[in-house]
Amino acid sequence: QVQLVESGGGLVQPGKSLRLSCAASGFTFSNYAMHWVRQAPGKGLEWVGVIWYDGSNKFYEDSVKGRFTISRDNSKNTVNLQLNSLRVEDTAVYYCARARSNYIDFWGQGTLLTVSP
Amino acid sequence: SYVLTQPPSVSVAPGQTARITCGENNIGSESVHWYQQKPGQAPVLVVYDDSDRPSGIPERFSGSNSGDTATLTISRVEAGDEADYFCQVWDSSHDHYVFGTGTKVTVL
Repeated sequence: QVQLVESGGGLVQPGKSLRLSCAASGFTFSNYAMHWVRQAPGKGLEWVGVIWYDGSNKFYEDSVKGRFTISRDNSKNTVNLQLNSLRVEDTAVYYCARARSNYIDFWGQGTLLTVSP
Repeated sequence: SYVLTQPPSVSVAPGQTARITCGENNIGSESVHWYQQKPGQAPVLVVYDDSDRPSGIPERFSGSNSGDTATLTISRVEAGDEADYFCQVWDSSHDHYVFGTGTKVTVL
């Protein structure tokens, strides 16, 4: 069955960097674009960005453009989110999710990132 | 870019019908998708392409989209339907996904 398992969250100070990873299994990973979506505590869903199935294109939400970078390794079935220049407002649960056409058909369970002095 | 407006909350008695709206100018020209999120859990797709249901989603969940409003309808509401619901579209002009503001459904 499809599984997406995020890792790498934790507590980090403002201005620092962190890398989140997502391990995929149960499907042909290299056939699917992958998204990152975040959810601040008690808030709604916010799309972060997407990477195409072959890594050839990446798109980001405006507030993270230039600070966050999505990458993937199709040989290892992983997708990563590099987060630089972190801000308190980046505190959220970060989900990786599988793209299907123009929607998401499967989500991981998320990893919590807390940015605090 | 899109701003998808949902009512913050909807309350419904068991067995009745809940309707959750998602509003934006001319949203009827876009494909709208809906996700259910229960507390402490990841979202789950319940309707895609306005009105299609993924396998495993009960027929009680249905969707429609016309004009400036998309609607998720939950018929014969059950206690287990209590959750947050989010609509979503693909903003092709900006290559962005956009989520609605979210609606908390409370079963009385």
